[in-house]
Amino acid sequence: EVQLVESGGGLVQPGGSLRLSCAASGLSVSANYMTWVRQAPGKGLEWVSVIFSGGTTYYADSVKGRFTISRDISKNTLYLQMHSLRAEDTAMYYCARDTYYLQTGSYHTFDIWGQGTLVSVS
Amino acid sequence: AIQMTQSPSSLAASVGDRVTITCRASRGVRDDLGWYQQKPGKAPRLLIYAASTLQSGVPSRFSGSGSGTEFTLTISSLQPDDFAIYYCLQDYDYPWTFGQGTKVEMK
Repeated sequence: EVQLVESGGGLVQPGGSLRLSCAASGLSVSANYMTWVRQAPGKGLEWVSVIFSGGTTYYADSVKGRFTISRDISKNTLYLQMHSLRAEDTAMYYCARDTYYLQTGSYHTFDIWGQGTLVSVS
Repeated sequence: AIQMTQSPSSLAASVGDRVTITCRASRGVRDDLGWYQQKPGKAPRLLIYAASTLQSGVPSRFSGSGSGTEFTLTISSLQPDDFAIYYCLQDYDYPWTFGQGTKVEMK
């Protein structure tokens, strides 16, 4: 069964750091594009970051310079290292597989999601 | 960043109704547009990508259309399982951006 399981969330003070993990089973985090999406309490979805299979990374403007996406091939795990945390980073953080299609255009599809891990900055 | 604006923000409908949700982009995104469904306490679920391609396993009552700056998600006959929040997402340019969501509630 293909599964993503996030962990590492918790309560942290403003200015603090936290590392989120996303353990994958049934899929390879290195062979796939992988992404992080967050959702503040009672709010909508916000894309955070993506890492391509080749290692290229992109970030939302709101986290650029503070967050780093990475992966450990030996552990088949995706990470999100978060520094200089702010109250507005409080959210449920989801990891997802980004299945990329190259057809008439190029399409990114978040087709497998984890259950999320909650980060509270206070 | 490209802004995605959904309308309406919420709607009330009955089982069997035809429901249409619109997503407008602040500038053209070709057809690099997906639709996601989210239920309370759950992760989002992919419904449609490339503006109109139905994800495997998604019921055919869901359909998408549009290109450029205006897109629609249509549910042809609303079912009890469809009451949820729907989001569009553009993956044309970084940063990728979601619409603010449309809540479909029971009338």
